[in-house]
Amino acid sequence: DAGVIQSPRHEVTEMGQEVTLRCKPISGHDYLFWYRQTMMRGLELLIYFNNNVPIDDSGMPEDRFSAKMPNASFSTLKIQPSEPRDSAVYFCASSWLLGRGPTDTQYFGPGTRLTVL
Amino acid sequence: AQTVTQSQPEMSVQEAETVTLSCTYDTSESDYYLFWYKQPPSRQMILVIRQEAYKQQNATENRFSVNFQKAAKSFSLKISDSQLGDAAMYFCAYRSTDKLIFGTGTRLQVFP
Repeated sequence: DAGVIQSPRHEVTEMGQEVTLRCKPISGHDYLFWYRQTMMRGLELLIYFNNNVPIDDSGMPEDRFSAKMPNASFSTLKIQPSEPRDSAVYFCASSWLLGRGPTDTQYFGPGTRLTVL
Repeated sequence: AQTVTQSQPEMSVQEAETVTLSCTYDTSESDYYLFWYKQPPSRQMILVIRQEAYKQQNATENRFSVNFQKAAKSFSLKISDSQLGDAAMYFCAYRSTDKLIFGTGTRLQVFP
Protein backbone atom coordinates (compact mmCIF):
# COMPACT_ATOMS: atom_id res chain seq x y z
CA ASP A 1 0.00 0.00 0.00
CA ALA A 2 1.21 3.52 -0.78
CA GLY A 3 0.23 4.84 2.63
CA VAL A 4 -1.88 7.89 3.25
CA ILE A 5 -1.70 10.25 0.30
CA GLN A 6 -2.18 13.99 0.59
CA SER A 7 -2.27 16.68 -2.04
CA PRO A 8 -1.00 19.20 -2.63
CA ARG A 9 2.21 18.99 -0.63
CA HIS A 10 2.58 22.75 -0.65
CA GLU A 11 -0.03 25.43 -1.16
CA VAL A 12 0.52 29.16 -1.26
CA THR A 13 -2.54 31.34 -1.56
CA GLU A 14 -3.72 34.82 -0.85
CA MET A 15 -6.00 35.84 1.95
CA GLY A 16 -9.64 35.42 1.03
CA GLN A 17 -9.10 32.59 -1.42
CA GLU A 18 -10.63 29.15 -1.09
CA VAL A 19 -8.25 26.32 -0.28
CA THR A 20 -8.99 22.62 -0.68
CA LEU A 21 -6.74 19.96 0.79
CA ARG A 22 -7.15 16.36 -0.27
CA CYS A 23 -6.52 13.02 1.37
CA LYS A 24 -6.64 9.40 0.31
CA PRO A 25 -6.53 7.06 3.33
CA ILE A 26 -4.99 3.63 3.43
CA SER A 27 -7.33 1.19 1.75
CA GLY A 28 -9.64 -0.56 4.20
CA HIS A 29 -9.10 1.81 7.09
CA ASP A 30 -12.28 2.71 8.95
CA TYR A 31 -11.18 6.02 10.40
CA LEU A 32 -9.84 9.22 8.92
CA PHE A 33 -8.46 12.15 10.88
CA TRP A 34 -7.49 15.71 9.97
CA TYR A 35 -4.87 17.49 12.08
CA ARG A 36 -3.26 20.90 12.01
CA GLN A 37 0.27 21.55 13.25
CA THR A 38 1.65 24.97 14.16
CA MET A 39 4.55 26.08 16.30
CA MET A 40 2.23 27.88 18.68
CA ARG A 41 -0.45 25.22 19.17
CA GLY A 42 1.33 21.99 18.29
CA LEU A 43 -0.75 19.18 16.82
CA GLU A 44 -4.49 19.74 16.93
CA LEU A 45 -7.17 17.29 15.89
CA LEU A 46 -9.66 19.13 13.70
CA ILE A 47 -12.18 16.43 12.78
CA TYR A 48 -12.44 12.69 12.32
CA PHE A 49 -14.65 10.33 10.36
CA ASN A 50 -15.76 6.76 10.90
CA ASN A 51 -16.98 4.94 7.80
CA ASN A 52 -17.26 8.28 6.00
CA VAL A 53 -19.43 9.83 8.72
CA PRO A 54 -18.10 12.80 10.72
CA ILE A 55 -17.90 11.81 14.37
CA ASP A 56 -16.33 14.77 16.11
CA ASP A 57 -15.69 18.16 14.56
CA SER A 58 -15.19 20.03 17.82
CA GLY A 59 -11.64 20.86 16.80
CA MET A 60 -12.65 22.73 13.67
CA PRO A 61 -11.66 26.30 14.45
CA GLU A 62 -14.57 28.10 12.87
CA ASP A 63 -17.18 28.02 10.14
CA ARG A 64 -14.61 28.85 7.51
CA PHE A 65 -13.40 25.26 7.84
CA SER A 66 -15.35 22.32 6.45
CA ALA A 67 -14.51 18.68 5.78
CA LYS A 68 -16.16 15.99 3.74
CA MET A 69 -15.65 12.32 3.09
CA PRO A 70 -17.82 11.36 0.11
CA ASN A 71 -16.45 7.82 -0.02
CA ALA A 72 -14.05 5.51 1.78
CA SER A 73 -11.08 6.52 -0.32
CA PHE A 74 -11.28 10.29 -0.38
CA SER A 75 -11.64 13.24 1.97
CA THR A 76 -11.31 17.00 1.61
CA LEU A 77 -10.65 19.82 4.04
CA LYS A 78 -11.76 23.19 2.76
CA ILE A 79 -11.01 26.65 4.06
CA GLN A 80 -13.14 29.46 2.71
CA PRO A 81 -12.13 32.24 2.96
CA SER A 82 -8.56 31.60 4.01
CA GLU A 83 -6.69 33.88 6.42
CA PRO A 84 -2.98 34.25 7.24
CA ARG A 85 -3.52 32.62 10.64
CA ASP A 86 -4.56 29.43 8.84
CA SER A 87 -0.96 28.96 7.72
CA ALA A 88 0.13 25.58 9.08
CA VAL A 89 0.90 22.02 8.13
CA TYR A 90 -2.26 19.97 7.73
CA PHE A 91 -2.03 16.22 8.23
CA CYS A 92 -4.43 13.50 7.31
CA ALA A 93 -4.23 10.15 9.14
CA SER A 94 -6.14 6.89 8.94
CA SER A 95 -6.51 3.77 11.03
CA TRP A 96 -8.34 0.49 11.48
CA LEU A 97 -10.99 -0.21 14.04
CA LEU A 98 -9.54 -3.10 15.99
CA GLY A 99 -12.36 -3.57 18.44
CA ARG A 100 -10.74 -1.72 21.27
CA GLY A 101 -12.00 1.72 20.50
CA PRO A 102 -12.38 3.91 17.46
CA THR A 103 -8.69 4.47 16.96
CA ASP A 104 -5.59 2.40 17.27
CA THR A 105 -2.41 3.00 15.37
CA GLN A 106 -2.84 6.01 13.17
CA TYR A 107 -0.80 6.29 10.01
CA PHE A 108 -0.11 9.81 8.85
CA GLY A 109 0.19 11.30 5.41
CA PRO A 110 3.13 13.54 4.48
CA GLY A 111 1.18 16.70 5.24
CA THR A 112 0.27 19.79 3.27
CA ARG A 113 2.15 22.97 4.10
CA LEU A 114 -0.30 25.83 3.66
CA THR A 115 0.85 29.42 3.47
CA VAL A 116 -1.76 32.17 3.33
CA LEU A 117 -0.33 35.55 2.37
CA ALA B 1 -9.61 15.44 30.53
CA GLN B 2 -6.57 13.52 29.50
CA THR B 3 -3.29 15.37 29.12
CA VAL B 4 0.16 14.41 27.89
CA THR B 5 3.27 16.21 29.11
CA GLN B 6 6.73 16.13 27.61
CA SER B 7 8.91 18.19 29.93
CA GLN B 8 12.06 18.14 27.78
CA PRO B 9 11.77 20.56 24.85
CA GLU B 10 15.22 19.53 23.61
CA MET B 11 17.63 16.68 24.18
CA SER B 12 20.96 15.79 22.64
CA VAL B 13 22.95 12.61 22.43
CA GLN B 14 26.20 11.46 20.92
CA GLU B 15 26.10 8.91 18.17
CA ALA B 16 26.10 5.33 19.50
CA GLU B 17 25.04 6.48 22.97
CA THR B 18 21.70 5.96 24.69
CA VAL B 19 19.11 8.63 25.37
CA THR B 20 15.80 8.59 27.23
CA LEU B 21 12.89 10.88 26.41
CA SER B 22 10.31 11.47 29.12
CA CYS B 23 6.53 11.50 28.90
CA THR B 24 3.88 11.64 31.57
CA TYR B 25 0.14 11.60 31.16
CA ASP B 26 -2.94 12.10 33.20
CA THR B 27 -6.04 9.98 32.87
CA SER B 28 -8.73 8.31 34.92
CA GLU B 29 -9.10 5.53 32.36
CA SER B 30 -7.72 2.07 32.99
CA ASP B 31 -7.63 0.89 29.40
CA TYR B 32 -5.70 2.93 26.87
CA TYR B 33 -2.85 2.95 24.38
CA LEU B 34 0.34 5.00 24.34
CA PHE B 35 2.47 5.84 21.34
CA TRP B 36 5.71 7.49 20.37
CA TYR B 37 5.84 9.18 16.99
CA LYS B 38 8.91 10.56 15.27
CA GLN B 39 8.79 13.62 13.03
CA PRO B 40 12.00 14.18 11.04
CA PRO B 41 12.63 17.38 9.08
CA SER B 42 10.57 15.92 6.24
CA ARG B 43 7.54 16.47 8.55
CA GLN B 44 6.33 12.91 8.07
CA MET B 45 4.84 11.51 11.30
CA ILE B 46 6.27 8.04 11.77
CA LEU B 47 5.08 5.58 14.39
CA VAL B 48 8.02 4.45 16.50
CA ILE B 49 6.42 2.25 19.13
CA ARG B 50 3.12 1.55 20.86
CA GLN B 51 2.14 0.18 24.24
CA GLU B 52 -1.15 -1.26 25.44
CA ALA B 53 -1.89 -0.22 29.01
CA TYR B 54 -3.17 -3.68 29.94
CA LYS B 55 0.19 -5.22 29.09
CA GLN B 56 2.80 -5.09 31.81
CA GLN B 57 5.63 -5.98 29.47
CA ASN B 58 7.41 -2.98 28.00
CA ALA B 59 7.24 -2.69 24.23
CA THR B 60 10.43 -2.96 22.20
CA GLU B 61 11.17 -2.24 18.54
CA ASN B 62 14.80 -2.84 17.65
CA ARG B 63 16.80 0.02 19.21
CA PHE B 64 13.68 1.63 20.66
CA SER B 65 12.13 0.56 23.93
CA VAL B 66 9.78 2.04 26.47
CA ASN B 67 9.64 2.14 30.22
CA PHE B 68 5.93 2.04 30.99
CA GLN B 69 5.05 2.76 34.60
CA LYS B 70 1.26 2.64 34.77
CA ALA B 71 0.91 3.61 38.41
CA ALA B 72 3.17 6.60 37.92
CA LYS B 73 1.55 7.40 34.54
CA SER B 74 4.94 7.55 32.93
CA PHE B 75 5.93 6.39 29.45
CA SER B 76 9.54 7.10 28.54
CA LEU B 77 11.28 6.20 25.29
CA LYS B 78 14.80 4.83 25.29
CA ILE B 79 16.85 4.98 22.12
CA SER B 80 19.91 2.77 22.20
CA ASP B 81 22.92 3.05 19.89
CA SER B 82 21.70 6.43 18.65
CA GLN B 83 22.18 7.15 14.97
CA LEU B 84 22.29 10.42 13.06
CA GLY B 85 18.99 9.47 11.45
CA ASP B 86 17.30 9.48 14.84
CA ALA B 87 17.48 13.27 14.93
CA ALA B 88 13.88 14.47 14.89
CA MET B 89 10.98 15.72 16.96
CA TYR B 90 9.51 12.97 19.11
CA PHE B 91 5.89 13.11 20.19
CA CYS B 92 4.30 11.06 22.92
CA ALA B 93 0.59 10.36 22.38
CA TYR B 94 -2.27 8.88 24.36
CA ARG B 95 -5.45 7.24 23.17
CA SER B 96 -8.35 5.77 25.16
CA THR B 97 -11.59 5.65 23.21
CA ASP B 98 -11.21 7.96 20.27
CA LYS B 99 -8.78 10.80 19.84
CA LEU B 100 -5.03 10.78 19.95
CA ILE B 101 -3.78 13.37 22.42
CA PHE B 102 -0.24 14.54 21.72
CA GLY B 103 2.41 16.03 23.93
CA THR B 104 4.29 19.13 22.82
CA GLY B 105 7.27 17.16 21.57
CA THR B 106 10.97 16.77 22.31
CA ARG B 107 13.54 17.78 19.74
CA LEU B 108 16.38 15.26 19.68
CA GLN B 109 19.76 16.23 18.29
CA VAL B 110 22.34 13.57 17.54
CA PHE B 111 25.99 14.58 17.41
CA PRO B 112 28.65 12.56 15.59
